[in-house]
Amino acid sequence: AIQLTQSPSSLSASVGDRVTITCRASQGISSALAWYQQKPGKAPKLLIYDASSLESGVPSRFSGSGSGTDFTLTISSLQPEDFATYYCQQFNSFALTFGGGTKVEIK
Amino acid sequence: QVQLVQSGAEVKKPGSSVKVSCKASGGTFSSYAISWVRQAPGQGLEWMGGIIPIFGTANYAQKFQGRVTITTDESTSTAYMELSSLRSEDTAVYYCARGYCSGGSCYSRSLYYFDYWGQGTLVTVSS
Repeated sequence: AIQLTQSPSSLSASVGDRVTITCRASQGISSALAWYQQKPGKAPKLLIYDASSLESGVPSRFSGSGSGTDFTLTISSLQPEDFATYYCQQFNSFALTFGGGTKVEIK
Repeated sequence: QVQLVQSGAEVKKPGSSVKVSCKASGGTFSSYAISWVRQAPGQGLEWMGGIIPIFGTANYAQKFQGRVTITTDESTSTAYMELSSLRSEDTAVYYCARGYCSGGSCYSRSLYYFDYWGQGTLVTVSS
């Protein structure tokens, strides 16, 4: 199965900061990558699909980039409601797999 | 508006089985994938398997092969996940999620990402 490695596993940031999270795949997955946001006690929420396409209703401060093995989720200006855990997921091949998660905390 | 509503929390004994349901509304049930993803306490997300109802064939993660069965009832737009031979390590929140197929249309071996999620079902395995 394709392994996804997210970095960092956690970070502390302030409101207004630019935040970047990286997801690296163990083999090339073209652009078959999605990003999710999860808040405590809630189901994950889709943010980005096809590596860089913004899901309807998601604020434009979220963006995704990359292809092949290296991908990035960027939050251009962190808002209070963005403190959460973020996961990447590949859909290039079965078994579908998720990264280990990146927890974004308040500095 | 698509909604996935799951059955309630379960407490099970080691060695037993659990069956969790996921009822969909607001969309075309058969044309999308339905997957099950679990999350152990304080841990990340783990895909267990999925099915595309119009094709009926499920794909499972190797870790769960032989222990998990995913089925659907198109007449009620409901998906089910049954996990057998439960052990304490299976204690987790189990989510169903609708899979949006890569390219927009689903085929029997389509891959997908998850655009809608159920609220989660806590399964506790304890003696």
